[in-house]
Amino acid sequence: DGGITQSPKYLFRKEGQNVTLSCEQNLNHDAMYWYRQDPGQGLRLIYYSQIVNDFQKGDIAEGYSVSREKKESFPLTVTSAQKNPTAFYLCASSIQEMQETQYFGPGTRLLVL
Amino acid sequence: RKEVEQDPGPFNVPEGATVAFNCTYSNSASQSFFWYRQDCRKEPKLLMSVYSSGNEDGRFTAQLNRASQYISLLIRDSKLSDSATYLCVVPRPDFGNEKLTFGTGTRLTIIP
Repeated sequence: DGGITQSPKYLFRKEGQNVTLSCEQNLNHDAMYWYRQDPGQGLRLIYYSQIVNDFQKGDIAEGYSVSREKKESFPLTVTSAQKNPTAFYLCASSIQEMQETQYFGPGTRLLVL
Repeated sequence: RKEVEQDPGPFNVPEGATVAFNCTYSNSASQSFFWYRQDCRKEPKLLMSVYSSGNEDGRFTAQLNRASQYISLLIRDSKLSDSATYLCVVPRPDFGNEKLTFGTGTRLTIIP
């Protein structure tokens, strides 16, 4: 079955710790995205990548980093510089020609201890 | 004015009723519009797209009013399974539609 997987489902971060959220897709999509969702707010774009080895900052990139070494994978690292990391993180992908139509993974809930 | 604005609800509607909610957008250059559905604690999933005046898919109808800059979603003969949050999504033409603006969502609960 084709789709997007994210792991872990829940993640706990201690103060000062970097954590990495996994996102893998086997849809052969070129473009991948990371969003965070907070209660009462719309999804906000953190980073996106339209092609392997290239990525761009979204609206709230501070405190986050990404890599795109493989087409299938787009991991997100939440660094200690992100002061309010508790949120629901969603990864998405799309084909290049239809970036408005995005397919989302099941999400990772990050909580700070 | 916010880029995309939705009435957060909640809308509590009896099963079988018709319900409609709107979404306003600020960028008059926007050409395409989308409704995504998000179940509680799950990921959003594409429900409908609107490129011209409207789109219909079974019990769901999305309409676009360019003059007033809003889109609406109408659900007829509502089912319990329609309970969800409905997100209005508008691509940003300034970024070649690479970036999307998501509304905060309208929460709908269908009551038996």
